[in-house]
Amino acid sequence: EAGVVQSPRYKIIEKKQPVAFWCNPISGHNTLYWYRQNLGQGPELLIRYENEEAVDDSQLPKDRFSAERLKGVDSTLKIQPAELGDSAVYLCATGTVYNEQFFGPGTRLTVL
Amino acid sequence: QKEVEQNSGPLSVPEGAIASLNCTYSDRGSQSFFWYRQYSGKSPELIMFIYSNGDKEDGRFTAQLNKASQYVSLLIRDSQPSDSATYLCAVEGSSASKIIFGSGTRLSIRP
Repeated sequence: EAGVVQSPRYKIIEKKQPVAFWCNPISGHNTLYWYRQNLGQGPELLIRYENEEAVDDSQLPKDRFSAERLKGVDSTLKIQPAELGDSAVYLCATGTVYNEQFFGPGTRLTVL
Repeated sequence: QKEVEQNSGPLSVPEGAIASLNCTYSDRGSQSFFWYRQYSGKSPELIMFIYSNGDKEDGRFTAQLNKASQYVSLLIRDSQPSDSATYLCAVEGSSASKIIFGSGTRLSIRP
């Protein structure tokens, strides 16, 4: 069974530029999460989807971050414009009704 | 007070010994508890989950949950160098199925 796929794996941009991350979940997993992880910290939830519905986006900085999950499968997370403090690893995870989460490899974002 | 707290470590344990990792949480209504292992530069991978008070064993790993004291622990028996990693505790709170991660405990198994 294929795992969670994320792309790109690495991204370096200058501040104020836009950036987008893509996630393809494990087949059959209806729940999808986007996390941000800073060095030495645990993952911080940005948004959680149940199918195509965002059920928890309370931690998403909506002034610059946006996300979508069309047709309840793939998802995209966008930052526009990026700031220096957005440098982090962005993790996508998918899961089942039991709330176990399976993480993708992540995208390491560096904002210069 | 953080919602999920872990000692950051590093916790150094000799090979073959038992490693004990602890996690406390603030939401008394929390329902589900998870342990993830994260190697340096890699993403977290699920080791175990536990929902009920008591112990749950899976191979060399045992998760222990005490809801009255609001702590969950992970025991690793016969520790191996390959167990050296950061261990993340995650707790599903009582509202809106929000899952909160601790900052992790760095475990080092010395040969």
